[in-house]
Amino acid sequence: GQQVMQIPQYQHVQEGEDFTTYCNSSTTLSNIQWYKQRPGGHPVFLIQLVKSGEVKKQKRLTFQFGEAKKNSSLHITATQTTDVGTYFCAGPFYGQNFVFGPGTRLSVLP
Amino acid sequence: SAVISQKPSRDICQRGTSLTIQCQVDSQVTMMFWYRQQPGQSLTLIATANQGSEATYESGFVIDKFPISRPNLTFSTLTVSNMSPEDSSIYLCSVGAADNQPQHFGDGTRLSIL
Repeated sequence: GQQVMQIPQYQHVQEGEDFTTYCNSSTTLSNIQWYKQRPGGHPVFLIQLVKSGEVKKQKRLTFQFGEAKKNSSLHITATQTTDVGTYFCAGPFYGQNFVFGPGTRLSVLP
Repeated sequence: SAVISQKPSRDICQRGTSLTIQCQVDSQVTMMFWYRQQPGQSLTLIATANQGSEATYESGFVIDKFPISRPNLTFSTLTVSNMSPEDSSIYLCSVGAADNQPQHFGDGTRLSIL
């Protein structure tokens, strides 16, 4: 079946360092979405990428969708303690429902 | 975005009992979904709640165990039936405009079975 993989599983960074998580799908995605879940909270939608090669920015966050629409990345510049949480990519496979990736858990040391 | 109220927020239940979780949205929504998230894990889609018809279940989930209702465009329930300790998890409802569009989640129900 369709799978969505994310690396790394965990990332510990010092505040101010950059962070990147990568998402890879076994098949082509119609679009890819990123969610953030704070400890004890629920997933919150961050962004949706639709076009091949698309790049979107939200302040310190940069999202990229691969040319083949099978991979994506989220890059955070100069992490802050408020960035702590688990970042999930999610792929709606053509004709099927969402599959969430396993997530990357980010901790930021002050 | 829609305001989603889910209750109860948490419960502790006895083995063999059933619990119904409610999800109320402050506006009409096309799609409502139910997920399970085990501690430290990702989200797994249980089913899509369809208004006026039977829910669409994902592989590994069956209606007898997780009956779902959706009587209108703002409300849905998920029942976890004949609970066992393996059902201890967080159950989340979400809403979206279509099945491939961004979803917005309720706060979740943290369920523990003794």
